Amino acid sequence: LAKTTQPISMDSYEGQEVNITCSHNNIATNDYITWYQQFPSQGPRFIIQGYKTKVTNEVASLFIPADRKSSTLSLPRVSLSDTAVYYCLVGGDNAGNMLTFGGGTRLMVKP
Amino acid sequence: NAGVTQTPKFQVLKTGQSMTLQCAQDMNHEYMSWYRQDPGMGLRLIHYSVGAGITDQGEVPNGYNVSRSTTEDFPLRLLSAAPSQTSVYFCASSPVGGKDTEAFFGQGTRLTVV
Repeated sequence: LAKTTQPISMDSYEGQEVNITCSHNNIATNDYITWYQQFPSQGPRFIIQGYKTKVTNEVASLFIPADRKSSTLSLPRVSLSDTAVYYCLVGGDNAGNMLTFGGGTRLMVKP
Repeated sequence: NAGVTQTPKFQVLKTGQSMTLQCAQDMNHEYMSWYRQDPGMGLRLIHYSVGAGITDQGEVPNGYNVSRSTTEDFPLRLLSAAPSQTSVYFCASSPVGGKDTEAFFGQGTRLTVV
């Protein structure tokens, strides 16, 4: 499974756009890139998933360059409630949802 | 619409005791899995199942057993609790396995072994 590297922590202020970049140099051809969000004392929650170029949903955007060796999660106009840990996951396995979580990025949104 | 339900939410065990963490999902998902999360760390896969009657080991299976007799339930059994098993345990399910699917997580069971 491809290993991912993310910043350990980031700070932002309410109303700003936040971009969290994830490196995954060993991504395989068939791998997807998925981001999860985890609030304290809760299980992770799916945010967005993509394979290449750009994906956007009501929560976030995911930018993936042509070489797919990195990806950027973009959170528009964050609020205090976006304070959480964000995990970048790559790949998986057809034998089950064998998700490999790294340490994640701890985002702190300040007023 | 319950999703993934874990019980209990909190548990304290003495070293050497055994117990079963329950996980149930009502989404008819084939794939289910158990993770543990230690403080400040990401989740690590303990065991997973691709369907009723089929289970396999993940990254950290030692000290844990699982069974999958129905699609809905995937209990995790601690055979002889040790302080190193103090952690938060999450159960997850997904409709199909693989990379391009969304996993749904329960709220977790916080286990302390003294």
